[in-house]
Amino acid sequence: DTAVSQTPKYLVTQMGNDKSIKCEQNLGHDTMYWYKQDSKKFLKIMFSYNNKELIINETVPNRFSPKSPDKAHLNLHINSLELGDSAVYFCASSHQIGTGFSGELFFGEGSRLTVL
Amino acid sequence: DQQVKQNSPSLSVQEGRISILNCDYTNSMFDYFLWYKKYPAEGPTFLISISSIKDKNEDGRFTVFLNKSAKHLSLHIVPSQPGDSAVYFCAASSSGGSNYKLTFGKGTLLTVNP
Repeated sequence: DTAVSQTPKYLVTQMGNDKSIKCEQNLGHDTMYWYKQDSKKFLKIMFSYNNKELIINETVPNRFSPKSPDKAHLNLHINSLELGDSAVYFCASSHQIGTGFSGELFFGEGSRLTVL
Repeated sequence: DQQVKQNSPSLSVQEGRISILNCDYTNSMFDYFLWYKKYPAEGPTFLISISSIKDKNEDGRFTVFLNKSAKHLSLHIVPSQPGDSAVYFCAASSSGGSNYKLTFGKGTLLTVNP
């Protein structure tokens, strides 16, 4: 059973298009994240939700909009895609602070987005 | 602005020997540090962590050392095994781990040769 699953794994699209990446976790965690790994290999946090509430929102263009319909899902929608959006996007989840959070994140396999 | 730096992009060691992966940080507010391992086409997985109140944490073959004055930490793997070949990310957080935000380094590719 996959603990954190993302779809699609690969996404190739044209500039200007709108696309979504979906994430689901079956670990019962309250907190979910989106990280971006760009061409320089840095893993940078974009967003974090705790119990469907946005708690971290880094300096990400507002073309990126996360949506958390419930605790087990955190989707990422990207409008008007640009070449610089090409990256691997990782979803992750963790326990909530105060209930066993130790910094341990459980990552999905990543979604490689290529914008042409 | 790289607050967490892994200056060695790659490291190659012989099976059975020690692997030492290094990490430096610049933010004095960081007080909780983690190592993650990543295989190709998979997400990173948590390996080991250390709080700034300690200078060493050991888990089986993996030991993390923290030198706060030098703002430096290292991961020792001994003995190294071919299955340890992966990219290792160093990460840091503030507020003793009660902060959801982790700052990652660029990673070091470890290759363990049989």
